[in-house]
Amino acid sequence: EVQLVESGGGLVQPGGSLRLSCAASGFTFSSYSMNWVRQAPGKGLEWVSYISSSSSTIYYADSVKGRFTISRDNAKNSLYLQMNSLRAEDTAVYYCARDRQSRITMIVVEDAFDIWGQGTMVTVSS
Amino acid sequence: DIQMTQSPSSLSASVGDRVTITCRASQSISSYLNWYQQKPGKAPKLLIYAASSLQSGVPSRFSGSGSGTDFTLTISSLQPEDFATYYCQQSYSTPGFTFGPGTKVDIK
Repeated sequence: EVQLVESGGGLVQPGGSLRLSCAASGFTFSSYSMNWVRQAPGKGLEWVSYISSSSSTIYYADSVKGRFTISRDNAKNSLYLQMNSLRAEDTAVYYCARDRQSRITMIVVEDAFDIWGQGTMVTVSS
Repeated sequence: DIQMTQSPSSLSASVGDRVTITCRASQSISSYLNWYQQKPGKAPKLLIYAASSLQSGVPSRFSGSGSGTDFTLTISSLQPEDFATYYCQQSYSTPGFTFGPGTKVDIK
């Protein structure tokens, strides 16, 4: 079964740090780019970060740039999000999502998040 | 950055109704548009990719159309399990594939 399982969420004080993990199974993890997406309580979806299959390309949302670091270990089939200098506005459910791309020659013709984890809750509060 | 808008923000409908949700991009995104369904307390689920392609396992009552800046998601005959929030997402421009604000579909 294709599956993503997040862990590492919890309660942290403002200014603190947390490291989220996402364990992949049932597919060739090293062949896929991955993303983190978050959802604040009662709000919509916000893309947070992207990492390519080889870690050669990384992107961040402006709201987390300089504070969050995405990484992956293909040997361990795992994705990570190191979150530093946490703020109250970072409170959210954090999802990891597989990025499925289809290409014709070098051109991406389709790109969607086809597999999602169940999410892990991060609460930033004193 | 590409901004996404959706309308309506919410709607009430009955089982069996035909439901249409609209998504608009702030600039042309060709057909790089995806639709997701999210139920309370659950992760989003991919329904439609590349504007009109049905994700495997998704019922055929869901369909998508559009290109450029204007897109629609249609549910041909609303079923009880379709009451959820629906999000569009552009996958044309990096970094970050922007989501729309969502459309909540609830029971009339």
